[in-house]
Amino acid sequence: GAVVSQHPSWVICKSGTSVKIECRSLDFQATTMFWYRQFPKQSLMLMATSNEGSKATYEQGVEKDKFLINHASLTLSTLTVTSAHPEDSSFYICSVPPDPVGGQYFGPGTRLTVL
Amino acid sequence: RKEVEQDPGPFNVPEGATVAFNCTYSNSASQSFFWYRQDCRKEPKLLMSVYSSGNEDGRFTAQLNRASQYISLLIRDSKLSDSATYLCVVNDSGGKLIFGQGTELSVKP
Repeated sequence: GAVVSQHPSWVICKSGTSVKIECRSLDFQATTMFWYRQFPKQSLMLMATSNEGSKATYEQGVEKDKFLINHASLTLSTLTVTSAHPEDSSFYICSVPPDPVGGQYFGPGTRLTVL
Repeated sequence: RKEVEQDPGPFNVPEGATVAFNCTYSNSASQSFFWYRQDCRKEPKLLMSVYSSGNEDGRFTAQLNRASQYISLLIRDSKLSDSATYLCVVNDSGGKLIFGQGTELSVKP
C-alpha cells in the first residue's frame, strides 16, 4: 500500500492565485520531508527540506517567500505556491526518508497547471 | 559538471535484450546509491539500492565502483513492462537525494 499520499493529484489555477499541496506520511512519523519539482523531460530537483517544528531549508535559487512550507505535524507537510505564474506549472513531488542514508518514499505527485 | 550524470537516451531495444545503463557521480563523500524507475507522469519508485559488492534482484544487477565514482544497472531478458525512465540517484553526505537526468528505455515487441 501507499506510504506517502499527496493531495490534490492535479490542480489548474489562474495566474496570481495560491495553491496548497499536502503531503502525508501514512506509515511512519517523519521529522523530515522533502519537496521536489520536475519539469517535463527533466529530472527531479530538490526544492526544500521540510523540518517538523522548525523552518524549512531551501535549496539555492528557490524563493522561500514564494514556496511556503509548513511541517505541521510528524505526518503532514504542506507546500503553498503563492501568487502562482505559468512558469510555476510543474510536477511537485514530496518524499519521506525512512532513514537518513536510505532511499526515500515518494508521494504520487501533484501536477500544477497555472493558466 | 552535473553532480550525477547518466547515459543519454532513449534506449530502444527488442524484448529479451540485455541493456546496460551507466552513471557517474561527482561527490566522493556520497553515502548511498540507488536506481529508481519512473513511469510517464508518475512518481519515482525505488528499483534497487546499489552496493559496492554488487547486488542482483531477479533480472536486474547493480554495480558500484567507489574508486571510479561509477554506478551501473544491467537488465537481462528485458520485458515490455520494463519500458520507463531509469534514474540514477545518489544520497549525498547531507542526506539529500541527487537525481541524474534519467535514461529512457523503450522495449519493443
